[in-house]
Amino acid sequence: QAVLTQPSSLSASPGASASLTCTLRSGINVGAYRIFWYQQRPGSPPQFLLKYISDSDTQRGSGVPSRFSGSKDASANAGILVISGLQSEDEADYHCVIWHNSGWVFGGGTRLTVL
Amino acid sequence: QMQLQESGPGLVEPSETLSLTCSVSGDSISGSVYFWAWIRQPPGEGLEWIGSVHYTGATYDNPSLKSRVTLSVDTTKSQFSLKLSSVTAADTAVYYCAKSSGNEFDYWGQGTLVTVSS
Repeated sequence: QAVLTQPSSLSASPGASASLTCTLRSGINVGAYRIFWYQQRPGSPPQFLLKYISDSDTQRGSGVPSRFSGSKDASANAGILVISGLQSEDEADYHCVIWHNSGWVFGGGTRLTVL
Repeated sequence: QMQLQESGPGLVEPSETLSLTCSVSGDSISGSVYFWAWIRQPPGEGLEWIGSVHYTGATYDNPSLKSRVTLSVDTTKSQFSLKLSSVTAADTAVYYCAKSSGNEFDYWGQGTLVTVSS
């Protein structure tokens, strides 16, 4: 079982909100981890969006608008990236990452389609 | 503004060693809190961290690559390098170099496609 699991795709309408999940493998407690999120538009390298460990310990990357936010769902053992007020430019791949066992571990990425 | 640029062969034969270099400009490669990373992305797939190196030579690498990885830094040239030995078609990917300050990867190169094929 992969350390981090993301749905392969998600669709949402312009102006709506989208919640992208990053589920940690059983036995790895989401509460103990800082979750990093990256956005990757087609043909471009990933860009850092935000890091989240708690509502009082979160930080967006330079120039990232406040409509991008993070949270956790302890019952699902998952980190969540919430994008509100979806815009066409938000159509991209989104990757979650954690530091685990002395290494960086990426999820498989979610392709968000805005239509 | 820091910039990173990957360079190296775009085609490597199976069983050979893949060698890439990342040139850093706009800031010192010898920043005490900076780690310099290699991350790859096979076509149509997700990202995989390969490893990170500090200017002192300290390294962390992905155990899944089974010790095929060698990372190094040349502070005189403001470059860091990746060598990946015994490559197979599964190593075909876009290879990115990136900088972290112990946390997020905040600067990335544009990436370079390396194809493993005879």
